[in-house]
Amino acid sequence: EDQVTQSPEALRLQEGESSSLNCSYTVSGLRGLFWYRQDPGKGPEFLFTLYSAGEEKEKERLKATLTKKESFLHITAPKPEDSATYLCAARISGGYNKLIFGAGTRLAVHP
Amino acid sequence: NAGVTQTPKFRVLKTGQSMTLLCAQDMNHEYMYWYRQDPGMGLRLIHYSVGEGTTAKGEVPDGYNVSRLKKQNFLLGLESAAPSQTSVYFCASSYREGVLVNTEAFFGQGTRLTVV
Repeated sequence: EDQVTQSPEALRLQEGESSSLNCSYTVSGLRGLFWYRQDPGKGPEFLFTLYSAGEEKEKERLKATLTKKESFLHITAPKPEDSATYLCAARISGGYNKLIFGAGTRLAVHP
Repeated sequence: NAGVTQTPKFRVLKTGQSMTLLCAQDMNHEYMYWYRQDPGMGLRLIHYSVGEGTTAKGEVPDGYNVSRLKKQNFLLGLESAAPSQTSVYFCASSYREGVLVNTEAFFGQGTRLTVV
């Protein structure tokens, strides 16, 4: 069964304290690994797409990496405005850009 | 450029009532989706459409119907609402998969539905 698991469920950081979020996936035929940010009461906002193991992408304080079994979202020197829920999703074969979402990691960054 | 727009943003229904959620996108995307989001669970696909006039079932389609009469609109209907349908509903759209086209999904702001 195709499955995406994110850990931890919640993470509390002090401003400037770097950390990583994990997204492990067990899917048949990965066609892309997506990261989204979701603020309370809002829809998910696209961050990154990774297609192959070893690929990395960066945006401001965020860096996403991909291996054959998992993806990491590294947050360097986070600020309070980085507080949000981070979702990952695996796209698999299905003819309609089929996405399998993880449950998300709720990140809180305190000053 | 509005992106994906959902209406309404909030709604309270009584058990057995019906309603339609509206979704409109202005990005000329071929694919459109309806998801529901429940606490502690990932987004789950209800129905999707790969083009005007086409719809298909997703992971959790029971109790819902959809229509896509125009490329830019995707409607989600609840014929007889049940408390189990209390959730946050998200519409999304994307280009179809292609070599030179980014296919990330763009999401609306969500509709918070409570069925009492």
